[in-house]
Amino acid sequence: ETGVTQTPRHLVMGMTNKKSLKCEQHLGHNAMYWYKQSAKKPLELMFVYNFKEQTENNSVPSRFSPECPNSSHLFLHLHTLQPEDSALYLCASSQGASGEGSYNEQFFGPGTRLTVL
Amino acid sequence: AQSVAQPEDQVNVAEGNPLTVKCTYSVSGNPYLFWYVQYPNRGLQFLLKYITGDNLVKGSYGFEAEFNKSQTSFHLKKPSALVSDSALYFCAVRDTGTYKYIFGTGTRLKVLA
Repeated sequence: ETGVTQTPRHLVMGMTNKKSLKCEQHLGHNAMYWYKQSAKKPLELMFVYNFKEQTENNSVPSRFSPECPNSSHLFLHLHTLQPEDSALYLCASSQGASGEGSYNEQFFGPGTRLTVL
Repeated sequence: AQSVAQPEDQVNVAEGNPLTVKCTYSVSGNPYLFWYVQYPNRGLQFLLKYITGDNLVKGSYGFEAEFNKSQTSFHLKKPSALVSDSALYFCAVRDTGTYKYIFGTGTRLKVLA
């Protein structure tokens, strides 16, 4: 295992539901990331947190709302999603996200398979 | 514009034969280059990276990659493929000019027994 856990592993929700994805890293890293993985598409970086501060938001719709209460935990709050939001959502962490830390590799969790009906 | 291209959706190779998975990139600054592997129902796992120095980089599980600046390529190689190498492989680049982290679309490697 990589030291990054994600819950739940599978989630089915209706378009009017509100749910949250959780990620926890046990590696002592200070940067955490959310990615969206869809078939036949490049991995899409959604959000980056460095020392609990959001440093990147790649034009993600407001129906996705991240929260990073500390360097070990990252949440993705979901509301009024669309069927096209169905995908595998991956969390990752690394030692640093900018400056000298930008050459460090990322450690990924197993992902949450999200299906929006 | 920054981009990473993995031109092959799938690569098939016989067990014991050498394998190559191709990757080319386009960035505004100097690149930091990475290869990751994804097995079914798992997240991505780091294989190797090029930051600076020797153009030939050795990584996990016998994989290596060669950085070619003139061709803007970073192809993944292994001298002798194993059936257990069958997985989805992603190339990624960190643009030192923008710090953007960009992944390719992935190449599915199938090693046939």
